[in-house]
Amino acid sequence: NAGVMQNPRHLVRRRGQEARLRCSPMKGHSHVYWYRQLPEEGLKFMVYLQKENIIDESGMPKERFSAEFPKEGPSILRIQQVVRGDSAAYFCASSRKAGTSGYTDTQYFGPGTRLTVL
Amino acid sequence: DQQVKQNSPSLSVQEGRISILNCDYTNSMFDYFLWYKKYPAEGPTFLISISSIKDKNEDGRFTVFLNKSAKHLSLHIVPSQPGDSAVYFCAAKVIQGAQKLVFGQGTRLTINP
Repeated sequence: NAGVMQNPRHLVRRRGQEARLRCSPMKGHSHVYWYRQLPEEGLKFMVYLQKENIIDESGMPKERFSAEFPKEGPSILRIQQVVRGDSAAYFCASSRKAGTSGYTDTQYFGPGTRLTVL
Repeated sequence: DQQVKQNSPSLSVQEGRISILNCDYTNSMFDYFLWYKKYPAEGPTFLISISSIKDKNEDGRFTVFLNKSAKHLSLHIVPSQPGDSAVYFCAAKVIQGAQKLVFGQGTRLTINP
């Protein structure tokens, strides 16, 4: 029973290049969340997606960052023209469904992608 | 603004004793709370959760207590084992609102043999 999968695990980019991070949710999960963790800090929410829909992108920087979760294939977090401040660990989580009527579903996390910008 | 705070960056406990990790929150809309455990170079692993309609939830060696009036929760681990050494994150959310989790900064727990 595979958990949330992320690749690559480590990614090195030079300033100005593009970074693409991939996330495959757990089997049976249709909700994907991306979080970023800067050194010595907690995880910060970036974006919440369902298949072909962005539900909440309130934590996503307005420029250079985008996310998608196509009908087929993994969710992609894309960072254009990376800068040194983008260096962080990026975690993806998935759940079966969102919370409604008092019910909430646990988010399970992948191992993360560690992005280093030189 | 830090809506979820873990004021102790680190905690050291003797093996076999009780570990108590604390978490405070400021947003009274939060009604669901979770604890995650994280080893270096791995993703957070879900440990235990509690809804605001309860004040205690227990799962094996792990118990979470919620004090709504004080906006405070704690995680108790007893007895503590060396494998419990990790960073522990408290997280909160609003069940019927945005699905995002709001995390504290984490507490590094070290269990000494």
